[in-house]
Amino acid sequence: DVKVTQSSRYLVKRTGEKVFLECVQDMDHENMFWYRQDPGLGLRLIYFSYDVKMKEKGDIPEGYSVSREKKERFSLILESASTNQTSMYLCASSHHRGYNEQYFGPGTRLTVT
Amino acid sequence: KNEVEQSPQNLTAQEGEFITINCSYSVGISALHWLQQHPGGGIVSLFMLSSGKKKHGRLIATINIQEKHSSLHITASHPRDSAVYICAVFPNTGNQFYFGTGTSLTVIP
Repeated sequence: DVKVTQSSRYLVKRTGEKVFLECVQDMDHENMFWYRQDPGLGLRLIYFSYDVKMKEKGDIPEGYSVSREKKERFSLILESASTNQTSMYLCASSHHRGYNEQYFGPGTRLTVT
Repeated sequence: KNEVEQSPQNLTAQEGEFITINCSYSVGISALHWLQQHPGGGIVSLFMLSSGKKKHGRLIATINIQEKHSSLHITASHPRDSAVYICAVFPNTGNQFYFGTGTSLTVIP
């Protein structure tokens, strides 16, 4: 069965802290994505990666960075967390590039105080 | 600016009712994705469409490329169908999906 896991379901951090969110998929997918989901705005793409060590900016990359050292693992890093980064963060993966079906992780609800 | 509009935003139905959720978009697309999100966050893929119609159990998805519109139908709705239904489009000239804000469905027993 297809599986995408995320390191935490709930996370509370202080302003200015460095935050790591990790995502692991076991489907040998080439593509991995990080989204944030906010009420009234839908899912917005932060970064995606189509191969190891490759990354591309999505619509809202400011304040975030990513790392993909292994095919199955994609990390989202908040260098210095701010209260406006309080959100639900969702990781997804898919085969190949283009419009392929995406498989989502359970999400991490991050609160920055 | 959201290129994907869903209607209605919220929907309450009685168990057994036929339900329709609509998705309209403004650009030419390569594919449209319907997803389901249950309380707690997990998102599940329902359909990927580029033309015509697809059916899976009680769920039916249709798309009209010329009218830039898709519908998701649920027949014989059940309380377990209560969830947020999300539409996403992949523009012809793009490299990512763009998501609607979702339709929150509640089915009452």
